[in-house]
Amino acid sequence: DTGVSQNPRHKITKRGQNVTFRCDPISEHNRLYWYRQTLGQGPEFLTYFQNEAQLEKSRLLSDRFSAERPKGSFSTLEIQRTEQGDSAMYLCASSLTGLYGYTFGSGTRLTVV
Amino acid sequence: DQQVKQNSPSLSVQEGRISILNCDYTNSMFDYFLWYKKYPAEGPTFLISISSIKDKNEDGRFTVFLNKSAKHLSLHIVPSQPGDSAVYFCAASPNNAGNMLTFGGGTRLMVKP
Repeated sequence: DTGVSQNPRHKITKRGQNVTFRCDPISEHNRLYWYRQTLGQGPEFLTYFQNEAQLEKSRLLSDRFSAERPKGSFSTLEIQRTEQGDSAMYLCASSLTGLYGYTFGSGTRLTVV
Repeated sequence: DQQVKQNSPSLSVQEGRISILNCDYTNSMFDYFLWYKKYPAEGPTFLISISSIKDKNEDGRFTVFLNKSAKHLSLHIVPSQPGDSAVYFCAASPNNAGNMLTFGGGTRLMVKP
């Protein structure tokens, strides 16, 4: 068990480009979460999946953001037409249903220039 | 609207002394509270949690206290060690929310040898 893995660790992109991040959760965890963290702030909830079903989305998740978890395993988070305000650390976490202390990955740091 | 607040951005403590980190919340629907620790370049790590039916939970050097009437919780670390130096986030979850967490802004703890 290697924990929650996120790729890439860093991404620099030009404004207007699309980016996609990948998260591989702990294999037996059925829940997967995406959070975003900006400098000096705590993580903010974006969305979560139970198996392959996306059960909740924050209003922070504009229509430029889309997340998928095909087959209930890894997940991808795509941001279309990136804006400078999208620059942040994107954190993925996973857990088993009913357990609150979920495990975070190390994050993908996005910089939009 | 910050529902979870950590009003002290930083705290400096001498090794061996007690560290007290505070957190306030406004949403009375929160019924489960957690503390996470974060080192640079890593994702947050779950530390300790408490349910609203309790007012104290202890795990080794870490104790969390919950005062529901005051909507306040605190994390006590005794004795503090230099390896405890990190950013600490409190987080809260409401009833039936599928484990979505609302985080505070974090407190940077520095434990001096």
